[in-house]
Amino acid sequence: QSALTQPASVSGSPGQSITISCTGTSSDVGSYNLVSWYQQHPGKAPKLMIYEVSKRPSGVSNRFSGSKSGNTASLTISGLQAEDEADYYCCSYAGSSTFLWVFGGGTKLTVL
Amino acid sequence: EVQLVESGGGLVQPGGSLRLSCAASGFTFSSYEMNWVRQAPGKGLEWVSYISSSGSTIYYADSVKGRFTISRDNAKNSLYLQMNSLRAEDTAVYYCARDGAAAGDDAFDIWGQGTMVTVSS
Repeated sequence: QSALTQPASVSGSPGQSITISCTGTSSDVGSYNLVSWYQQHPGKAPKLMIYEVSKRPSGVSNRFSGSKSGNTASLTISGLQAEDEADYYCCSYAGSSTFLWVFGGGTKLTVL
Repeated sequence: EVQLVESGGGLVQPGGSLRLSCAASGFTFSSYEMNWVRQAPGKGLEWVSYISSSGSTIYYADSVKGRFTISRDNAKNSLYLQMNSLRAEDTAVYYCARDGAAAGDDAFDIWGQGTMVTVSS
């Protein structure tokens, strides 16, 4: 039982697209369509950006999209904007009573 | 406005206790499952504990099992986390987070602002 694996950092220029990967196992990401993504600006609480792999909450820009293949989920941000610079965390349901939800280590997105 | 507001954090010595509270407003608290999630300084997010909407089902991460107790009072729209035998590694910002399954999104859809717990002598 360990955290999901995300790249420590990604970067892109305004207007470009970036993708953040999130690799788990057949016990979490691979078993459930309950992958979510959170954006966190410094000193702020996380904000839900994607839930159930690819669904966007009301109010979240359609520039954010999610997908999953096997044990790996991905978050894509298109048309990068300066305000997208933040930390991003993936999360998956894991189904164990002592490991119910598992997060990734986080990815720092820098908009160049 | 849908809102969660945590309180109760502070500085505590190793081995000490602290009780966190989370006040909910703007939604039917009793319909939602709730969680505590923590974030150590400069680190990532870690799920800590879960409680069902009625309080009948409770889960803990291995790292806190036997030391922390989650509870809720639906009449007071409040969630709690009693933390005993605190260790330095429990130092973190503690967030209460709503599981939005009852609203159709099974994820942590609403977060509080967090409350800082520092365990140090």
